[in-house]
Amino acid sequence: DIQMTQSPSTLSASVGDRVTITCRASQSINTFLAWYQQRPGKAPKLLIYKASNLQTGVPSRFSGSGSGTEFTLTISSLQPDDFATYYCQQYQGYPYTFGQGTNLEIK
Amino acid sequence: QVQMVQSGPEVKKPGASVKVSCKASGDSFPNYGISWVRQAPGQGLEWLGWIGTYSGNTHFAQKFQGRLNMTIDTSTTTAYLELRNLRSDDTAVYYCGRLEVAGAADFGGQGTMVTVS
Repeated sequence: DIQMTQSPSTLSASVGDRVTITCRASQSINTFLAWYQQRPGKAPKLLIYKASNLQTGVPSRFSGSGSGTEFTLTISSLQPDDFATYYCQQYQGYPYTFGQGTNLEIK
Repeated sequence: QVQMVQSGPEVKKPGASVKVSCKASGDSFPNYGISWVRQAPGQGLEWLGWIGTYSGNTHFAQKFQGRLNMTIDTSTTTAYLELRNLRSDDTAVYYCGRLEVAGAADFGGQGTMVTVS
């Protein structure tokens, strides 16, 4: 199975900050990577697919980049709604696998 | 945005089976398929598999082979997940999501809590 490792596990930041979350794959996944946001008690929300494509309706402050084994999710200016847990997921090979999550909390 | 409406919470005994439904609101099925993931209490996301909307082709995570089935009824725009021989570590919230393209699902439903006890 392809292992996905996110860093950091927890990130403390303030409204207005620019933050970056990293996701590393144990082998090349080309650009078959998605990013999700999950708020407590809610379903995961798709933010980015194919590493850098913004899902319809997602604010432009979210962006994704990377290919191969290293990927980043950047939020350009944190808003109160953005404090949540973020997951990356590869869909290059079966079984599709998720990172362990990054908890973005208010500083 | 087309939402997915899932069936209600279930409580099952070990060894039993559970069938969770997922209906596309507005009778609009996704072009590609339906994906299923689960989340145990306090844990991360675990991918279970997906089913093609019109092909009915399925891909499951190997660890669930023999216990997991996914079906789809295009006439009622409803997808189903059935998990057999339940164990306590199957206790989780199960989510379905729309696949408009391969791989990245839009999880618009509320989730279904399955408790095995």
